[in-house]
Order: sequence, then structure tokens, then C-alpha cells
Amino acid sequence: GAGVSQSPRYKVTKRGQDVALRCDPISGHVSLYWYRQALGQGPEFLTYFNYEAQQDKSGLPNDRFSAERPEGSISTLTIQRTEQRDSAMYRCASSPGQAPLDTQYFGPGTRLTVL
Amino acid sequence: QKEVEQNSGPLSVPEGAIASLNCTYSDRGSQSFFWYRQYSGKSPELIMSIYSNGDKEDGRFTAQLNKASQYVSLLIRDSQPSDSATYLCAVHNFNKFYFGSGTKLNVKP
Repeated sequence: GAGVSQSPRYKVTKRGQDVALRCDPISGHVSLYWYRQALGQGPEFLTYFNYEAQQDKSGLPNDRFSAERPEGSISTLTIQRTEQRDSAMYRCASSPGQAPLDTQYFGPGTRLTVL
Repeated sequence: QKEVEQNSGPLSVPEGAIASLNCTYSDRGSQSFFWYRQYSGKSPELIMSIYSNGDKEDGRFTAQLNKASQYVSLLIRDSQPSDSATYLCAVHNFNKFYFGSGTKLNVKP
């Protein structure tokens, strides 16, 4: 079956522009996580959804970052007024049920480069 | 202090040897513990999960958890060159997964 998909796979933008990163989880998966991963580091938690409800957004770095999952399936991570320090790999993961016991399945990631 | 600490390596072992990867975590309230493997340029994939003290074996992999010492380890028996990757330790606590920086493992033929 289809795994977690993310689009675009690569995004190059200029400083100050807004970007929207999309995550399409495995069908039926309840939980969805967003992470940011810098080179040579592990994924860093950004936010978590259970169905359409954003349960935890404490990992979002500042108010330029927001996320939504309006119908409990596809999620969008939006970064407004991008800065060079936002350049990173953004990963999405989904799991079939309530955390913490379920396996997270990661998508391929979106490589964001802010010039 | 980071939530999850791992030695960055690289850890080099010969083919057929046992590779031992270690991880410590800071929050005693952590409930669930995971090991992920990440090949260069790829996404993390789950290898093992462990929730209670002791050992858990799955094929060539054994995860060990010691909550009193706040310590998690992963043993890989009969290491193969295809095991060469970065191994990420993850801890679940209050809706969040905290990942370590990963240990790079090189298995030499």
C-alpha cells in the first residue's frame, strides 16, 4: 500500500516568502507528526495531530510556523516570512492509533532551502 | 541537557561481530522507547520498540531497557555491511517523541 507522501520533495524559496509543505499520511492513520531534521541531527518534534485536533504545538519554533489538518487526513505546515535559518529537511510521520505505542511511519521529507 | 543523548560515533565493527549502541534519556517519566535506522539520504525506519525493563529480541536485534539508569541499548548480532547506517534512539513523553542525534555504524566486510 501507499506510504506517507510529502510534497514538494524539494523547495527553494527566497527569504521573506511564505511556503506550504504538504503531508499525506497513510490512509486511516489517526496520528500525524511534523518534525524538522538538520543535517547530522535526529528529527526535532514540531507538532502533533490526533485526527484534526492539534494536540501539541510546543515544538513550533515561533509564530511564523503553523500547521493544520482540517479533515483529519492531509496536513499542511506553513512557514511565513521564511528566513535562512528555516532551511532544513521537514519530515512528516503518521501512526495508526493513539500514541505512544504505535509505530510511526515517516514520509520522504521536504528539503527546504531558503536563499 | 538534551532529552536523549547518543554517542555520534562512528562505531566501526567487522562483519559478523556484535554492534552495541547506547542511549541515555533525561526524563524519568518517559514511557516508550524506540530505535530507528536511517540510511544516508533516507527517512528513519523503526527497528525496535521497548516499553518495559529488560531485553526484547527480534531476529538479530536486541533492545535493552533499564529505567532506573535511564538507559536504552541496541545490540546487533552478526553485523552485516547492510547494517551500516545511523541509528536513532527515540523516547516518547507527553505526546512528543524526542530523538537523539544518532550513532553512525560502519560494518566493515
